[in-house]
Amino acid sequence: AQTVTQSQPEMSVQEAETVTLSCTYDTSESDYYLFWYKQPPSRQMILVIRQEAYKQQNATENRFSVNFQKAAKSFSLKISDSQLGDAAMYFCAFQTGANNLFFGTGTRLTVIP
Amino acid sequence: DAGVIQSPRHEVTEMGQEVTLRCKPISGHNSLFWYRQTMMRGLELLIYFNNNVPIDDSGMPEDRFSAKMPNASFSTLKIQPSEPRDSAVYFCASSLLEDGEKLFFGSGTQLSVL
Repeated sequence: AQTVTQSQPEMSVQEAETVTLSCTYDTSESDYYLFWYKQPPSRQMILVIRQEAYKQQNATENRFSVNFQKAAKSFSLKISDSQLGDAAMYFCAFQTGANNLFFGTGTRLTVIP
Repeated sequence: DAGVIQSPRHEVTEMGQEVTLRCKPISGHNSLFWYRQTMMRGLELLIYFNNNVPIDDSGMPEDRFSAKMPNASFSTLKIQPSEPRDSAVYFCASSLLEDGEKLFFGSGTQLSVL
């Protein structure tokens, strides 16, 4: 069975600073995909970043980057130069093949002005 | 494209009533997913369809829940009869049926059963 664990229910960061959100997962699969989704108060689920497990290079999208450690089954999200608009719930998710996403329980990020 | 469209955005009903949630996936997408989000259980997959065919409905709580996808552009999730514990946000998402394709989510339906 696939499980996704986010051990930080809440995090806070000062505006313009950097924050890292943690995620670990458990699977016996060798090919899979990892995602970070953002859910602002509007409720919309927005894809932040995606990582293919077969790629060693960490994915980057502007101020968002990941630290993917396959052996450790770890997939953390780093947000640089935090902005007020980054305040949201962040969900780590795992996917094998063309199947559904397994989500973690989320981390609520607060950005302090 | 307008994205995944869900209706209604909010639904308030009384226990015992039938509730129907609707979803229009992104045109060209051939996988559709229904998720439920609660504070206690987070995001749970209820059911998903590939090419309009239900593939996995193991997440459907019980027989009171049913989902249909009569064509590629429309799906419904029905709860009959509804109960207060069904109160949650219900999301529909769609994607292309390919490995690792990202899901596009609708705005969700906030269901309150009184």
